[in-house]
Amino acid sequence: AQKVTQAQTEISVVEKEDVTLDCVYETRDTTYYLFWYKQPPSGELVFLIRRNSFDEQNEISGRYSWNFQKSTSSFNFTITASQVVDSAVYFCALSEAGYYGGATNKLIFGTGTLLAVQP
Amino acid sequence: DARVTQTPRDKVTEMGQEVTMRCQPILGHNTVFWYRQTMMQGLELLAYFRNRAPLDDSGMPKDRFSAEMPDATLATLKIQPSEPRDSAVYFCASGQLTGGAVTQYFGPGTRLLVL
Repeated sequence: AQKVTQAQTEISVVEKEDVTLDCVYETRDTTYYLFWYKQPPSGELVFLIRRNSFDEQNEISGRYSWNFQKSTSSFNFTITASQVVDSAVYFCALSEAGYYGGATNKLIFGTGTLLAVQP
Repeated sequence: DARVTQTPRDKVTEMGQEVTMRCQPILGHNTVFWYRQTMMQGLELLAYFRNRAPLDDSGMPKDRFSAEMPDATLATLKIQPSEPRDSAVYFCASGQLTGGAVTQYFGPGTRLLVL
């Protein structure tokens, strides 16, 4: 069965600190996809990144970076020099690969990590 | 900037009433998902469609919930009759199957309160 674990329920940091949000997943599939979403206080879920299981290259986008390690089944998210606007709930999610027919492409979400960035 | 739209944004109703939530997916997206979010259960997938055909609605209470896509630009989720335990935020998401996965783009949600 597929599962995503975000062990950190809440994290509180002071502005300009770096913070890493952990994500550990379980799947028996050899091909799968991992995602991160941000849910700010306004409530909308915002897509941040998608990675496939064959691409372990780390990704950097501005202050955001992602570390994907298949050996530990982890897909961690780091925010460098955090800002108050980064305060949100962050969800990690897993999707099986599928093309047509029986493919489900459902997202299995973790329980989320609430990040509070204090000024 | 294409976005998924949902109406209404907020809905307060009384137990036993019918509730209809609407979603307009992003133009060109062929996959539509309905989720429910509560504090206790987190994000739950209720149903999803590809090319307007329902692929999976196993997460949906069949006796009171129904989901349809009358056309490619409209998805609906109905609850009849509504119950207080249905109070939640209902999200619609759309995406296009590319490279073996669907990147889902979420709407702003419908906040439902059943009294």
